[in-house]
Amino acid sequence: GDSVTQMEGPVTLSEEAFLTINCTYTATGYPSLFWYVQYPGEGLQLLLKATKADDKGSNKGFEATYRKETTSFHLEKGSVQVSDSAVYFCALSDPGGTSGSRLTFGEGTQLTVNP
Amino acid sequence: EPEVTQTPSHQVTQMGQEVILRCVPISNHLYFYWYRQILGQKVEFLVSFYNNEISEKSEIFDDQFSVERPDGSNFTLKIRSTKLEDSAMYFCATRRFTTKNYGYTFGSGTRLTVV
Repeated sequence: GDSVTQMEGPVTLSEEAFLTINCTYTATGYPSLFWYVQYPGEGLQLLLKATKADDKGSNKGFEATYRKETTSFHLEKGSVQVSDSAVYFCALSDPGGTSGSRLTFGEGTQLTVNP
Repeated sequence: EPEVTQTPSHQVTQMGQEVILRCVPISNHLYFYWYRQILGQKVEFLVSFYNNEISEKSEIFDDQFSVERPDGSNFTLKIRSTKLEDSAMYFCATRRFTTKNYGYTFGSGTRLTVV
C-alpha cells in the first residue's frame, strides 16, 4: 500500500537558518503530494501541494518539488522565523492506487525555531 | 474563507461510554473524512463518506465506530463503547471533488480523552 516517510525530528533551528525536512513516498498510482502544518493547539492547514512530477509547490517562503525519480517531496525554506515553529506533515493522495481518495500521512516533524 | 467546524473541541468520557463527534462541512463539499491522531503519532485515516454511504474505511474503523449525516448538514462520528486507546485528536476533513485540483479542508479537531 501507499506510505510516506519523513525525517525523524524534532528539528531545532535558529532564526534565519535554512530548513530542509525530507519526505519520501511509496505509491502505486500517480499521487498528489502535500505538506500540512499544525501549529500548537490548532488543526491541520495545507501549506503547499504538487499534483504531478516536477511540479513545485510554494507558499509563505516554503517550497517543495515533486521528484518522481527519487520519490521525494522535500520541504525547504531559506530563512525560518520563530513563527514557523510547528509540526509539519508530508502526505499523499493516490486516487488511482490502492488507497482511494484518502490522505496518507508521514510521521510528522516537530520544528522549533529559536530567536 | 470557508471553514470546517468541529464540536466539541475537547471531550472527556468514561471508558465504555458512547461519544458523538460532530463536524459541519463546507456547504458545497461532497466528500467527508475522519482521521485521528494519537498523541505523538501520525495522522491516521479512519473513514471516507460520499453520497450518504461509506466509500472506504481503514482497519481501525471497526464495529465500534459509525458515521452518518443525519440532517444533511452535520457529519458525525460515533464511538459506541469507548476504550482507553480511543483517546486521540479526531479530525474531520471535507473535499468538494476528488480530482487532483481539489484539496482537503480540515477542521480544528476534537480532543477525546477516555478515562
